[in-house]
Amino acid sequence: EDKVVQSPLSLVVHEGDTVTLNCSYEVTNFRSLLWYKQEKKAPTFLFMLTSSGIEKKSGRLSSILDKKELSSILNITATQTGDSAIYLCAVKGYANAGKSTFGDGTTLTVKP
Amino acid sequence: DGGITQSPKYLFRKEGQNVTLSCEQNLNHDAMYWYRQDPGQGLRLIYYSQIVNDFQKGDIAEGYSVSREKKESFPLTVTSAQKNPTAFYLCASSYIMNTEAFFGQGTRLTVV
Repeated sequence: EDKVVQSPLSLVVHEGDTVTLNCSYEVTNFRSLLWYKQEKKAPTFLFMLTSSGIEKKSGRLSSILDKKELSSILNITATQTGDSAIYLCAVKGYANAGKSTFGDGTTLTVKP
Repeated sequence: DGGITQSPKYLFRKEGQNVTLSCEQNLNHDAMYWYRQDPGQGLRLIYYSQIVNDFQKGDIAEGYSVSREKKESFPLTVTSAQKNPTAFYLCASSYIMNTEAFFGQGTRLTVV
């Protein structure tokens, strides 16, 4: 059974801080790892990492996949209050018809 | 504007009643999904459909049913057999199973 563990479960920082969110996974025949941001209701897609694309960056957000350690990190630099959200990590395996298995998320609170 | 529309946003159900949650997408996506989210937890897959007239059980399908008669629509029925239905329900779609998902705004179901 596929499994995703995110840490920490919650995090409180001040504006301008840099944060690192962690995602560890167990999946049969790894295909991809995805990060989503859930601000209020609908999660929105951030990044997808695969064996052929282990680093992604968009503005202040970046993510790296470590296939050896079966993990990924999501970095946010110069945090803003608008970064406050739940960050969800999900993995897909070739053996699982492309279904996503989600972790419990990290709740990030950025204080002014 | 392309997107996914879920309705209603809030739904109250009496014990023993079946209720149906609506999900419509105009993104021309083949794959559609239903997830359940409980407080402090990630998303758990209820049902998914890769193509019209076909759907598969996810990890927590008991007490739920779906249909996929049209590409655009994937309604979820929460039956009286679901013992703990109070939760936040998210519908999503993707171009194919192995790409990122786009989510609706969710339906919050409460049993009264």
